[in-house]
Amino acid sequence: DAGVIQSPRHEVTEMGQEVTLRCKPISGHNSLFWYRQTMMRGLELLIYFNNNVPIDDSGMPEDRFSAKMPNASFSTLKIQPSEPRDSAVYFCASRPHEPGELFFGEGSRLTVL
Amino acid sequence: AQKVTQAQTEISVVEKEDVTLDCVYETRDTTYYLFWYKQPPSGELVFLIRRNSFDEQNEISGRYSWNFQKSTSSFNFTITASQVVDSAVYFCALGITNAGKSTFGDGTTLTVKP
Repeated sequence: DAGVIQSPRHEVTEMGQEVTLRCKPISGHNSLFWYRQTMMRGLELLIYFNNNVPIDDSGMPEDRFSAKMPNASFSTLKIQPSEPRDSAVYFCASRPHEPGELFFGEGSRLTVL
Repeated sequence: AQKVTQAQTEISVVEKEDVTLDCVYETRDTTYYLFWYKQPPSGELVFLIRRNSFDEQNEISGRYSWNFQKSTSSFNFTITASQVVDSAVYFCALGITNAGKSTFGDGTTLTVKP
């Protein structure tokens, strides 16, 4: 079975550019999570969705970040404009039911120059 | 509010040693779930185990074992006869029914030297 699929795996961009990260959750999972991991701040939850509806976006750093889940099989995390402090590994995870375990994608490593 | 504390930031052992990773949690809910995840150097996060608050039975899976003690709010993870491939960051997490999100600890970096 396919796991959580994230793209791109690596992204290098310049400050001010728009960045879009993509995620395809595991089929049948009804919750999707976006996490950010840095050395300084560890693993941070940015936002999560239940049945495609955003439930808690309190972890989204600021208005430059936005996330969407137009259907059960696709989600995006957008940063516009990007800044060097956004450099991190961004993980998407899905969950089959509550309060089940999370299944993580391989992550998208973002570098903003 | 929920909190997970992994007091050990880094642990280094020599291969074949046993090692225990500590996890202490805080919650006022009576129904909750505890998880361990592994993040090897390759970067992906992998689920290892889930326990619910009503099941204090310890679990063993090969060289891995987990000790859940509600009296001390701890869910510790022991690796027996450690191997180099066990080198990773290990995260403990707490989930509350109907809260949606899990609370993660800061992780413990385990280095197993040959």
